[in-house]
Amino acid sequence: TQLLEQSPQFLSIQEGENLTVYCNSSSVFSSLQWYRQEPGEGPVLLVTVVTGGEVKKLKRLTFQFGDARKDSSLHITAAQPGDTGLYLCAGVRGKLIFGQGTELSVKP
Amino acid sequence: ETGVTQTPRHLVMGMTNKKSLKCEQHLGHNAMYWYKQSAKKPLELMFVYSLEERVENNSVPSRFSPECPNSSHLFLHLHTLQPEDSALYLCASSQSGTGRGNEQFFGPGTRLTVL
Repeated sequence: TQLLEQSPQFLSIQEGENLTVYCNSSSVFSSLQWYRQEPGEGPVLLVTVVTGGEVKKLKRLTFQFGDARKDSSLHITAAQPGDTGLYLCAGVRGKLIFGQGTELSVKP
Repeated sequence: ETGVTQTPRHLVMGMTNKKSLKCEQHLGHNAMYWYKQSAKKPLELMFVYSLEERVENNSVPSRFSPECPNSSHLFLHLHTLQPEDSALYLCASSQSGTGRGNEQFFGPGTRLTVL
């Protein structure tokens, strides 16, 4: 069984569009992280959210942690081709538990 | 060199070969990790070393053998692998005991193909 479900698994959009990626679980996490991975590279940490209901912004990226600390979302405004990559959420329960990732492709 | 480096970046091996993957971290961290990343599957944690002691082994087959000679270096020794072991093997490091122990820094990975 998948502890962390990410959706959608694939997303192909045009430059300038907005998008949201979801990360859902039935389990509570002490915190949740979002990573971005480009082809040929390892994942790079974007943000860690710790408090239920917390919202963090990183330029055009907005991250939200659910009130119950079981789910999270990543919203990208006005996507650009440079946003293309694999986005991974990871819940912290003593160790990192990863979702299966969302492959985002932003076309010019 | 900065961050986390891994060598080789690509490896093709037969099922009877013996090879080793190397990871080096230049961040002064005290914990290191091996992960397996297969297509369409979540990253799978394989091994964790903290202060050079193995603290986690997630039921990984014995054909994978980790070694951590010091806090900066981590190896994964491979022998008699199976084709289903083909994947991207990622090394990561973190600083445990500081409250930021789960902020992991990843290397670029070794793309392994087992024929």
